Amino acid sequence: AQSVTQLDSHVSVSEGTPVLLRCNYSSSYSPSLFWYVQHPNKGLQLLLKYTSAATLVKGINGFEAEFKKSETSFHLTKPSAHMSDAAEYFCVVSGGGGADGLTFGKGTHLIIQP
Amino acid sequence: NAGVTQTPKFQVLKTGQSMTLQCAQDMNHEYMSWYRQDPGMGLRLIHYSVGAGITDQGEVPNGYNVSRSTTEDFPLRLLSAAPSQTSVYFCASSSANRFYYEQYFGPGTRLTVT
Repeated sequence: AQSVTQLDSHVSVSEGTPVLLRCNYSSSYSPSLFWYVQHPNKGLQLLLKYTSAATLVKGINGFEAEFKKSETSFHLTKPSAHMSDAAEYFCVVSGGGGADGLTFGKGTHLIIQP
Repeated sequence: NAGVTQTPKFQVLKTGQSMTLQCAQDMNHEYMSWYRQDPGMGLRLIHYSVGAGITDQGEVPNGYNVSRSTTEDFPLRLLSAAPSQTSVYFCASSSANRFYYEQYFGPGTRLTVT
């Protein structure tokens, strides 16, 4: 079986402070992991992905994530939040489970306070 | 490339009406899928297709039909609309190996059933 849990439904940070969005997964396989971002009234866009190469993955707009197999985590971070980062973020695990092998987290809404 | 296009952007239906949501991609992707997005539920897979002539059910297929006669198009049909189908619908496509490559999402169709 395969599952993904985004540990916070909402995260609020001040502009200029670090961002941490948490994602834990379970998988019977060696999974690929993705983070997508959805800005208001838009479709989803890939931020970054892990596919068994380097465990620290850099994405667009200054985001990065670290794959920790021992902790089954793939947390998303950014050193300094910008107002434009306000969006919904989805963690996705692939490689087994789910009807088509892809399992989406329920999303984390990131709020940036001025 | 236009990427993934969806029409219409907005639609209001009365209970019992039928309609087709259109989805097209120009990236020659084998894999296409339909999701619905509801508050607090994340994205839920409705149907997917791994190539022309091949479709399969996702997590929430009831009340929806799909067909895939060409690589480019993957329409979603609502047979008899119900208020529970009020949602935002996203179409996505990916290369054949969707476990390793990103999905490209359309801009969405916002459907209201009264």
